[in-house]
Parts: sequence; structure tokens; C-alpha cells
Amino acid sequence: SYVLTQPPSVSLAPGKTATITCGGNNIGGKSVHWYQQRPGQAPVLVIYNDNDRPSGIPERFSGFNSGDTATLSISRVEAGDEADYYCQVWEFTTDLFVFGSGTKVTVL
Amino acid sequence: QVQLVQSEAEVKKPGATVKVSCTASGYPFSAFYVQWVRQAPGQGLEWMGWINPLSGATKYAEKFQGRVTLTGDTATDTAYMQLTGVTFDDTALYFCARDKNNFADYWGQGTLIAVSS
Repeated sequence: SYVLTQPPSVSLAPGKTATITCGGNNIGGKSVHWYQQRPGQAPVLVIYNDNDRPSGIPERFSGFNSGDTATLSISRVEAGDEADYYCQVWEFTTDLFVFGSGTKVTVL
Repeated sequence: QVQLVQSEAEVKKPGATVKVSCTASGYPFSAFYVQWVRQAPGQGLEWMGWINPLSGATKYAEKFQGRVTLTGDTATDTAYMQLTGVTFDDTALYFCARDKNNFADYWGQGTLIAVSS
């Protein structure tokens, strides 16, 4: 089965740029989507199709996907960005949803 | 506006069957697949399966094959997830979500299923 690998945690100071990676075999050939999940809440879609933002998501959130790594960047990070972030792809050969293991972002 | 409202939390004994509902509003229910995802305490998101409400077609994660059944009722715009033979490891928050184009753009609030003897 297809595996997506994320770092367990990222910590940074307010105002800096958070970069969260999502590794997978030739992930650049797939569409990658990203979700934000604050404690006790349902996930929220923040990036779809590699680098598209749903309505209401700040421009500070952006994505990139190439080769074996996709990335979610959060610029000018704020305390409100503290959350778990998950990448996700649809594995078309098996018709399955696949989630990454999740990355906890901590704003110091 | 699009909303997915799930049923209330439940406590089940080991071996029991649980059925979670997910009622959609604000969009044509039959036009979008529904995904089911669960999250055990302190763990990540785990995909369970999807259903096409229009055709009734389903796809399940291998881990849940034989134990989970997804159904949909287009008369009430409600999707259901039934899990049989629950164990302590099935204690989790269960989410439904609307599938836009192989990603989930709207999520339910989650239903806590606790398995306890």
C-alpha cells in the first residue's frame, strides 16, 4: 500500500515560516491535499490539488509538490496555526484514500 | 451552506455493533461521495471507506473489510457507517466527510464511540 511520511513535529517562533513535508514514492505524480486539525475539532481542508486554497483559507498557506516530496508552507506563522497537519492523496490504482501520519506544529 | 451533522456519542460493549449516521444538507446529497475516517485517542487520521450515495457503490480499507458497512439513504440525505464486533481498539472519533474530487472538503463534527466493558 502507498505510504505517506511526515515529520512528527515542527516548532518555530511566531512570524517565521513553517514547512511541513510529506514524502511518498513519486508523489509528484499525484494530487496532494492538506488538512489542519486543531485539538478536539474536525479536520479542515487548507490546500487541495497541491496548491489550491479553499475559500476562507489565508494566502499564508501554500503548497508545492514534486518528485518524492510535497510540502505545505505556512508563512508568518501565528499562535492560531498551532494544530496537527495531515497530507492526503488518492491512490488511483487501488481507489483508496491515504493519509500521512500527521505533523504537530507548535508556535513557541 | 454545506453541513454534515453526525449522531451522538455512544458507549458499546465489546462484540457489539455500532451504527453512526451523517445527515447532509446544503448540497445535492447524491452528487458527492461520502468518506468515513476515524481517529483513535492521540492518533492520526485513519481512512475507513467511501460510498457513492447515488449508486450505493462502496470501497473499504482492507483493515475494515468484513466488519464495516457503509450505506446511504437518498430519501433522508443520510449516510451510515456500521461497524460490527467492536473491540477496545475501536474506541475513536468517527468522522464523515464530503468527497469533492478525491479530497474531503466538508467534515462532520465527529461521533465518539467508546468501547467499554
